[in-house]
Amino acid sequence: QQQVKQSPQSLIVQKGGISIINCAYENTAFDYFPWYQQFPGKGPALLIAIRPDVSEKKEGRFTISFNKSAKQFSLHIMDSQPGDSATYFCAALDSGTYKYIFGTGTRLKVLA
Amino acid sequence: GAVVSQHPSWVICKSGTSVKIECRSLDFQATTMFWYRQFPKQSLMLMATSNEGSKATYEQGVEKDKFLINHASLTLSTLTVTSAHPEDSSFYICSARYGGNTGELFFGEGSRLTVL
Repeated sequence: QQQVKQSPQSLIVQKGGISIINCAYENTAFDYFPWYQQFPGKGPALLIAIRPDVSEKKEGRFTISFNKSAKQFSLHIMDSQPGDSATYFCAALDSGTYKYIFGTGTRLKVLA
Repeated sequence: GAVVSQHPSWVICKSGTSVKIECRSLDFQATTMFWYRQFPKQSLMLMATSNEGSKATYEQGVEKDKFLINHASLTLSTLTVTSAHPEDSSFYICSARYGGNTGELFFGEGSRLTVL
């Protein structure tokens, strides 16, 4: 119940395409869902986040879609660029323990 | 976003020595900081929660005598790997929570530890 299941493990997308990464959870105490982007040898950087009272949030080319009833959320990267090649982690904040639970990560490669 | 600085970025040490890694929140006060360990191509493994002015809370399986955490001020937490061995070689990342228990998490740049 403490897990956040993330898929796919790796993803290859052509430049200009849409990258979609999915996450699912079971714990209803999770109430804040950020996405992080990590480049090799660097710490994760907060990309975009959503709370469960909205179904979608968009910031530039990045969009989170959130389905509260299905307990699923996804990251969409529009017009994917080679510079977007990185590992992406979804996460969820457990409002009971105040700890963040991380997904297993998705390695995205955008081909030029 | 808020800035978290981690130092050093990389360190090489001999087996048996101790290494200290610093984590600073540069533009905000962080009551709570977290220390993670990341193995190659894997997710973030939470090691411990560091609370300013109190003892750190360690996750199950993490040796608190091996990984000493001190959070002496609202902007600084340190992780000391004591009597380091090659199996302690890893990428260590700190993070700080901005804005209370439900605040956003900001990460440092990480520290690559290599123990010879």
